[in-house]
Amino acid sequence: NAGVMQNPRHLVRRRGQEARLRCSPMKGHSHVYWYRQLPEEGLKFMVYLQKENIIDESGMPKERFSAEFPKEGPSILRIQQVVRGDSAAYFCASSPVQGTGANVLTFGAGSRLTVL
Amino acid sequence: AQTVTQSQPEMSVQEAETVTLSCTYDTSESDYYLFWYKQPPSRQMILVIRQEAYKQQNATENRFSVNFQKAAKSFSLKISDSQLGDAAMYFCAYRSAYIYGQNFVFGPGTRLSVLP
Repeated sequence: NAGVMQNPRHLVRRRGQEARLRCSPMKGHSHVYWYRQLPEEGLKFMVYLQKENIIDESGMPKERFSAEFPKEGPSILRIQQVVRGDSAAYFCASSPVQGTGANVLTFGAGSRLTVL
Repeated sequence: AQTVTQSQPEMSVQEAETVTLSCTYDTSESDYYLFWYKQPPSRQMILVIRQEAYKQQNATENRFSVNFQKAAKSFSLKISDSQLGDAAMYFCAYRSAYIYGQNFVFGPGTRLSVLP
């Protein structure tokens, strides 16, 4: 069981470029969450998705940020025209639909974005 | 909206001693889930322990136990026989049991140092 896989682990972008972060949930999990962690801070919720459906995007900035979880393939968090303030660790987590694990998040190792 | 507060930004404990990390939360709901996650220097988020609000019995996992006081909305984590590997950021988290699609709300974290 490979767990939640995130890539890239580290990504460097210049201001104005696009960043794409990918997340493959744990096998059998169909719910994906994205969180952002600024240095020395806690996790801030961004978006919650099921396959082909955004459940809750109340934590997503209104501009430049988007997320998807297609029927096939990983979930993608996309940041357009990055700015230095986007530098952070972005964590993906997944959970199953039902069962005793339904209310437990399993996290990936995170993707660290650095904007120069 | 629910909020989670961790009033201790940093704590330290001597190896083999016991330490308690505090967490309080604000909610109007009667059924929910509470969690403690650990984030070591590797930055991987690891589930430490989980508590269902409808259960009066405090959860335990080996050296980790909680003191769940529902009326006081308090959920502290006790680490017994502290080990060097326990050094990490500890995050308290809340999730509603009612609302479909409810995301997990995390506290700001407590950094625990273990002194040899």
